Amino acid sequence: EVQLLESGGGLVQPGGSLRLSCAASGFTLSSSDTSWVRQAPGKGLEWVSLILGSGGDTYYADSVKGRFTISRDNSENTVYLQMSSLRVEDTAVYYCATRRDPRERDYWGQGTLVTVSS
Amino acid sequence: QSVLTQPPSVSAAPGQKVTISCSGSSSNIGNYYVSWYQQLPGTAPKLLIYDNNKRPSGIPDRFSGSKSGTSATLVITGLQTGDEADYYCGTWDTSLSVWVFGGGTKLTVL
Repeated sequence: EVQLLESGGGLVQPGGSLRLSCAASGFTLSSSDTSWVRQAPGKGLEWVSLILGSGGDTYYADSVKGRFTISRDNSENTVYLQMSSLRVEDTAVYYCATRRDPRERDYWGQGTLVTVSS
Repeated sequence: QSVLTQPPSVSAAPGQKVTISCSGSSSNIGNYYVSWYQQLPGTAPKLLIYDNNKRPSGIPDRFSGSKSGTSATLVITGLQTGDEADYYCGTWDTSLSVWVFGGGTKLTVL
């Protein structure tokens, strides 16, 4: 059974940093494309970042470019999202989602809440 | 506003059929595979459809997806009260190199 477990969320002040983790079981993230998707309170889904399984290329939404960094530790089978210069508008539940191929199904975690507030 | 356009809300009676549209462009829906997600209040999105029209195991065939040109459609038949949720379409935009979602459609089963 595939499981994704996000962790690392919490309360942080504006301008602060946080690192989110997405740990997988039953699935190998090194050969999969993994995204972070967030959802602000009462809002829709917003894609944040993607790391490709092959080659490890990374992509970012304009809203987080230059502030967030996605990375992967193959030995830990974990994808990370390093978030810095956090803003109030980054407050959201952050989900990770992964799939082996664009034509295959994806899998989602249960999310971790990030609250940016003073 | 979202790159993909969905109606904000749809409604129908139990047992009826509802259609949710998702309109995009040649750089996203017209050039890539579409997924559909169901999100019940307070829960993570659940994959309903991937690769335009495929259902993951465990998703009933009451849910079906299709794509034509730069638009995609989710059809739900035999509506149940448990289908009340928000529904999102999503795909990759090959020009912007970003994943895009529709704004979401709230389904009400009257």
